[in-house]
Amino acid sequence: QSVLTQPPSVSAAPGQKVTISCSGSSSNIGNNYVSWYQQLPGTAPKLLIYDNNKRPSGIPDRFSGSKSGTSATLGITGLQTGDEADYYCGTWDSSLSAVVVFGGGTKLTVL
Amino acid sequence: QVQLQESGPGLVKPSETLSLTCAVSGYSISSGYYWGWIRQPPGKGLEWIGSIYHSGSTYYNPSLKSRVTISVDTSKNQFSLKLSSVTAADTAVYYCARHLRRWLQSPFDYWGQGTLVTVSS
Repeated sequence: QSVLTQPPSVSAAPGQKVTISCSGSSSNIGNNYVSWYQQLPGTAPKLLIYDNNKRPSGIPDRFSGSKSGTSATLGITGLQTGDEADYYCGTWDSSLSAVVVFGGGTKLTVL
Repeated sequence: QVQLQESGPGLVKPSETLSLTCAVSGYSISSGYYWGWIRQPPGKGLEWIGSIYHSGSTYYNPSLKSRVTISVDTSKNQFSLKLSSVTAADTAVYYCARHLRRWLQSPFDYWGQGTLVTVSS
């Protein structure tokens, strides 16, 4: 059971837009930055979004992030078949058990 | 370009100690940043194991703290993970990674390719 809650799967057609949600609490998302990772099949996770909405160099602006209260959202526009992957949100949980926490992951299928 | 490479046995017996090393190239560990270990059981999500600063300060996931030791060897530009008393539940792909900034709460920007460790007799 992950501390951060993500939908197990989402799907959309090529060229469309999709959003992936990540729900937490005041001890994690509510008071800390959120990051998003893309994990293509058989590869290591790749940082897509950090500080809620910033993109590392080389990440296209089709990927965007936002945060409101204790939830965060990853948006992907102009979907491509190469975007099929697992997506994870992550943040710091500043409760008594201070830890790095991740969501359970969302499988994106581009139909 | 920062590169990380995990190495270690791919098979560990139950109750024994899992030992992995992460070799870093393209950046000197002694220059700063936190360095971490993350694992992913087959078909499941990511779990943070712990992180270490170049000075040797360590931070562990409380759920694993009693069994985990992370150390750093700046002379070899590498850091290591030891996980004791392993069971089948510790079977996972183990990744090493660097934190984006010089603080523990920052995300991971550089990752190793991962190494599968299977716990089985």
